[in-house]
Amino acid sequence: AQSVTQLDSQVPVFEEAPVELRCNYSSSVSVYLFWYVQYPNQGLQLLLKYLSGSTLVKGINGFEAEFNKSQTSFHLRKPSVHISDTAEYFCAVTRTNAGKSTFGDGTTLTVKP
Amino acid sequence: NAGVTQTPKFQVLKTGQSMTLQCAQDMNHNSMYWYRQDPGMGLRLIYYSASEGTTDKGEVPNGYNVSRLNKREFSLRLESAAPSQTSVYFCASNTGTGGNEQFFGPGTRLTVL
Repeated sequence: AQSVTQLDSQVPVFEEAPVELRCNYSSSVSVYLFWYVQYPNQGLQLLLKYLSGSTLVKGINGFEAEFNKSQTSFHLRKPSVHISDTAEYFCAVTRTNAGKSTFGDGTTLTVKP
Repeated sequence: NAGVTQTPKFQVLKTGQSMTLQCAQDMNHNSMYWYRQDPGMGLRLIYYSASEGTTDKGEVPNGYNVSRLNKREFSLRLESAAPSQTSVYFCASNTGTGGNEQFFGPGTRLTVL
C-alpha cells in the first residue's frame, strides 16, 4: 500500500516570495509521483509528474518539483508566486502498474499582496 | 473535447432520499473513479472501475453503489442519503496505466439535510 503525507495544511506567503510545498510518500513498490492544483470551485488539474529520469521536473505556471528517492520526498517549489497561484495543491502517488492514485490531504497556498 | 462532465452541479437532498450522480468522459479512457472531498481530508476514493465491466471498492464505499454503464459513463448512486454524505463529489478518468494522470470533472456539490 502507498501513503502520502503533505506536511503543511496551510502555507501563507506574500506575492513574489518563493514557496515550497512539502510532500513525503511511503510505498513498498515503485511509484510515479504527481502534483495537482485545484482552483476554487473547480476540479483538480495536473501541475507536473515524475515518471523517471531527471529528478527535477518542471510543470506549468513556473512550478517545479524534485524527486528525492532516499528521503521519499517530492517537494513542489516556485521561485516567485503570484496572487493567481492561490489554490489547493495535492500530491499523489500511483503504482507503476496501475492507474489508481493515493492523494495527500492537500496544502492550501494563500498568496497575499 | 468536453473532457469529463458531471451532472448535476448542485443537489440538495433530504435524509433518506436517493439520487444518482452521472459522469461521462470522451477521452476513450479505460479507468474511471469517484472521489469525495471534505475539508481537511483531501480526496477519498469511493469506487473505481479499472476497465469497462469491472468495479471495485475504494477507501469509503459504504452507502454508495456504482455502475459502469459503458466505456464512457460511470454513475454513483446514493440509495438512502445521510447527512454524513454531504460533500463535493468528483469523477475522474485516465488510461489506467501508471504513468498517466487523472482528468477530473468539475464536481457535484451535494447537501443532505
